[in-house]
Amino acid sequence: QKEVEQDPGPLSVPEGAIVSLNCTYSNSAFQYFMWYRQYSRKGPELLMYTYSSGNKEDGRFTAQVDKSSKYISLFIRDSQPSDSATYLCAMAMVSNYQLIWGAGTKLIIKP
Amino acid sequence: DAGVIQSPRHEVTEMGQEVTLRCKPISGHDYLFWYRQTMMRGLELLIYFNNNVPIDDSGMPEDRFSAKMPNASFSTLKIQPSEPRDSAVYFCASSLTSGRSDEQFFGPGTRLTVL
Repeated sequence: QKEVEQDPGPLSVPEGAIVSLNCTYSNSAFQYFMWYRQYSRKGPELLMYTYSSGNKEDGRFTAQVDKSSKYISLFIRDSQPSDSATYLCAMAMVSNYQLIWGAGTKLIIKP
Repeated sequence: DAGVIQSPRHEVTEMGQEVTLRCKPISGHDYLFWYRQTMMRGLELLIYFNNNVPIDDSGMPEDRFSAKMPNASFSTLKIQPSEPRDSAVYFCASSLTSGRSDEQFFGPGTRLTVL
């Protein structure tokens, strides 16, 4: 079993829909949780970062962490075609600079 | 800042040849990471450096792979001899010691094809 599980998709939704992307993990030592976005033929870039349970909002994006269930989510409101990309979750332990990555979910927003 | 710079962007080579990938991290960043990305295995950490010193190379798949960081502004990943299964996109990333250790800045990647 992988430390971080993420459905690779693809997930296809119409423009304007609310998108929910999820990851589960098995290591309770993970304290930092990140979402990276990767456009085709580009490197990943940090989208959202959180270190506590609960919600963190940034514009149309909301990151949710449930440490008791070992489950994290990324919600995208009013999705746009420009949101079409692969979304990777990543996690880290305290004072450890090595990130543990999910497989990435390919998201397609249809105009 | 120009961000993380990688070269070449594309490399096509024949099995058995030596391949050298290059990376220039963001100035001032203390950590440098080499990743490999494939459809089958996703993003895999190969090795990372802190202040030019290799810290963890447990992700390097075989002795055919080697990485060096002779100074703070340059790193290489070498594959010798290359094999078709090494075909992948190789990313270099860098990050700061202070601040958010989790934020890694990625280069555009080198797409390697071994025939």
